[in-house]
Amino acid sequence: EDQVTQSPEALRLQEGESSSLNCSYTVSGLRGLFWYRQDPGKGPEFLFTLYSAGEEKEKERLKATLTKKESFLHITAPKPEDSATYLCAVHLYNFNKFYFGSGTKLNVKP
Amino acid sequence: DTGVSQNPRHKITKRGQNVTFRCDPISEHNRLYWYRQTLGQGPEFLTYFQNEAQLEKSRLLSDRFSAERPKGSFSTLEIQRTEQGDSAMYLCASSPQPGQGPAEAFFGQGTRLTVV
Repeated sequence: EDQVTQSPEALRLQEGESSSLNCSYTVSGLRGLFWYRQDPGKGPEFLFTLYSAGEEKEKERLKATLTKKESFLHITAPKPEDSATYLCAVHLYNFNKFYFGSGTKLNVKP
Repeated sequence: DTGVSQNPRHKITKRGQNVTFRCDPISEHNRLYWYRQTLGQGPEFLTYFQNEAQLEKSRLLSDRFSAERPKGSFSTLEIQRTEQGDSAMYLCASSPQPGQGPAEAFFGQGTRLTVV
């Protein structure tokens, strides 16, 4: 069965303390992997698309990487405004939908 | 604002009542998705439209749920005889037709349903 697993479930960091979030997947026919940010009570906000193993994308303090089995979202020197839930999702060739992980809730303390 | 728009943002209803939500996708997007999200979980797929055709429905979608997308523009999601277990955030997303790579889905702000 196709699975998308995110870890850790929750992460508390001090401002400036870099870390990484993990998204592992056991799917076949990966068309693309997506990262979203979600603030409480709001819809997910698109961050990155990764298409193939070895690809990297960057945006401000965030960098997403992809291997054949997992993706990482690296957060460099985070700020309190980076606090949110980060979701990853996969899109498969044979299915017209996105499968989401349960997310990592990030809390950055000043 | 040219993003995905959902209305209402919040809905409180009594158990057994019917509710309807509306989604206006990004205008050039021909794909539209409905997802449901409960606290602490990722979004779960409910149904998918390509233009006006509903091409896929989740097994999670009971007979009390129905969705339409007339003329391939806005979409509505109706829940009949609501139950307390229907309380959740209902999310709509739209995306363009994928080319060689996948197409990103852009989400609206969601409709928070509370069934009392």
